[in-house]
Amino acid sequence: QKEVEQDPGPLSVPEGAIVSLNCTYSNSAFQYFMWYRQYSRKGPELLMYTYSSGNKEDGRFTAQVDKSSKYISLFIRDSQPSDSATYLCAMFSNSGYALNFGKGTSLLVTP
Amino acid sequence: KAGVTQTPRYLIKTRGQQVTLSCSPISGHRSVSWYQQTPGQGLQFLFEYFSETQRNKGNFPGRFSGRQFSNSRSEMNVSTLELGDSALYLCASSLVGTQGTEAFFGQGTRLTVV
Repeated sequence: QKEVEQDPGPLSVPEGAIVSLNCTYSNSAFQYFMWYRQYSRKGPELLMYTYSSGNKEDGRFTAQVDKSSKYISLFIRDSQPSDSATYLCAMFSNSGYALNFGKGTSLLVTP
Repeated sequence: KAGVTQTPRYLIKTRGQQVTLSCSPISGHRSVSWYQQTPGQGLQFLFEYFSETQRNKGNFPGRFSGRQFSNSRSEMNVSTLELGDSALYLCASSLVGTQGTEAFFGQGTRLTVV
């Protein structure tokens, strides 16, 4: 079993919808959590970076971490067609030098 | 400020050949890590360098190697290429590379082995 699990989708929503993306993990040593957005044939772009449990908001994006449940979420409000991409969750391993990634969720926002 | 630069963007190589990929991190960043991305496995960690020292290595065969120079630029080398090495190779740059520092990725080098 992989340390980080993420539903690959695809997830299709209409423009303006609220999108919820989720990851679960098994290693309780993970403390720093990131969300990346990756467009086709491009490198991952850092969207959100959070530490420990709680919420963090940045514009239309909210990252949520629940360490007790080993569950993290990314919410996208007022979704736009330009949000169509693959979203990857990532967290630092306990060695501190490597990111553990989920496999990514493919999101399609239709006009 | 300039981002992470990876060269070349695309490569086509024949089985058995070797290849060298290059990564220039964000100015001031001293940690460079490399990842392989494939549709089946997602992003997998290859290795990480800080101040010219490899601090961690993923679960890849010895055909995969890397190095970092004094200016923090890094190269990775794959020898005796196999068809299964076809992938997007991504380099990530961060200040010190440990928990608590953000990692920024380059656009990647797409390697096709034929």
